[in-house]
Order: sequence, then structure tokens, then C-alpha cells
Amino acid sequence: DTAVSQTPKYLVTQMGNDKSIKCEQNLGHDTMYWYKQDSKKFLKIMFSYNNKELIINETVPNRFSPKSPDKAHLNLHINSLELGDSAVYFCASSQRPTGHSGNTIYFGEGSWLTVV
Amino acid sequence: GQSLEQPSEVTAVEGAIVQINCTYQTSGFYGLSWYQQHDGGAPTFLSYNALDGLEETGRFSSFLSRSDSYGYLLLQELQMKDSASYFCAAPNTGGFKTIFGAGTRLFVKA
Repeated sequence: DTAVSQTPKYLVTQMGNDKSIKCEQNLGHDTMYWYKQDSKKFLKIMFSYNNKELIINETVPNRFSPKSPDKAHLNLHINSLELGDSAVYFCASSQRPTGHSGNTIYFGEGSWLTVV
Repeated sequence: GQSLEQPSEVTAVEGAIVQINCTYQTSGFYGLSWYQQHDGGAPTFLSYNALDGLEETGRFSSFLSRSDSYGYLLLQELQMKDSASYFCAAPNTGGFKTIFGAGTRLFVKA
């Protein structure tokens, strides 16, 4: 009964390819996120959706496009992959947008993307 | 801007107590959270402090001083399995985005 699940876990692909990562949460949460963790373990938010609506869109290349078909799913599509896109991408969810009440963020196991 | 500063590495021996500090700068503050991440794993929530003082959860405790813009995570009776990265985190001004510190890598030695 994985709370936040994402696929694939590992992805090795060539520069210039297009790839997608899928994410699903079964916690009944309203808010979902994509975080990127680089080789120095720095966790940076990329996008956040609340009830299928985009509420956070960080300074991310427009080659990255999130899609939320419903509030339990948030997918990430990446076009024209570059070497610098190699990282671990974490999907996450919380009951509502993080804020005053210290909303816990639940992370998926991560998708390890390597661009060669 | 908003930032959270924490040491990059801490080393301690099994059975000892270790404190991981976090100082933050933010124009609005809604509380400080701590997450643990083992190598190859996902960050998992440990604790949250909204008010000043100490919150205890088993071997782990977290402290917050809003006047000092400072908090810490205290790990007692260290075990080898506590070797991991620990992140402090806080919502940004407006509260819609959680910002994470750069993480503190804890090495527990026998």
C-alpha cells in the first residue's frame, strides 16, 4: 500500500530524448509536488498542484511540463533531455498546500534519471 | 529571500547524542519541520515545531526558538541506522511552498 508511488524508479536515456515520469498518491491529499534533488542532495521544488490546478511553477525550463489529470495523479514530462537534467525526481503530496499548520509532505521513492 | 542554513556534515559515535542545528531567514514564519533521508531513499517526516520549545518523539527531539530564528534536531542513543541526511524545512512567505535546507549528513560510527 504505497502512499506515493512513482514510475519508473530508474531511467537511463540519451540526450535529446523525451521521457515521462508518472506519480500517483492514494492518501486522498489535495496537493502534489515535483521536487528535484541534485547530486549534492539539494531538494528544490519544481511544481505544485492543488486539486489539479497549478499553484507553484518555479523557474524551470519549459522543457519540463507537469500534468495533473486528477488530484491523485501528477505526471512530469521532459522534452529534449539534457545532461544537466540528470537527478533524482521526487513526487510528493500533502493534505493541502504547505503552510501554517506544518503540513507533512509525503515523498515517493524517487525516479533516478540519468541522461547520457 | 528565504534560506535555511545547516551544517553539511556531523559525525558521532553509536550511543552518543548529536544535535543538528538550523538557522533560518524568512519574512514570515509558519514553523520548522525536519526530514530524514537515507541513501537511495525518500525524505520522510520526523517532526514539526510551530511554537518555541522542545517536541519529543522517542529518541528524536526538535527544538525551536522563534526569537533567535533557530532550531535543532536532537538525536539520542545514536544507532548505526541513524546514519542519513537530515533536512530542516519551512514554508516560504505566504506558506504555499516548503523550502528545504541543504541537508546535514550524519555519520554514526561504531
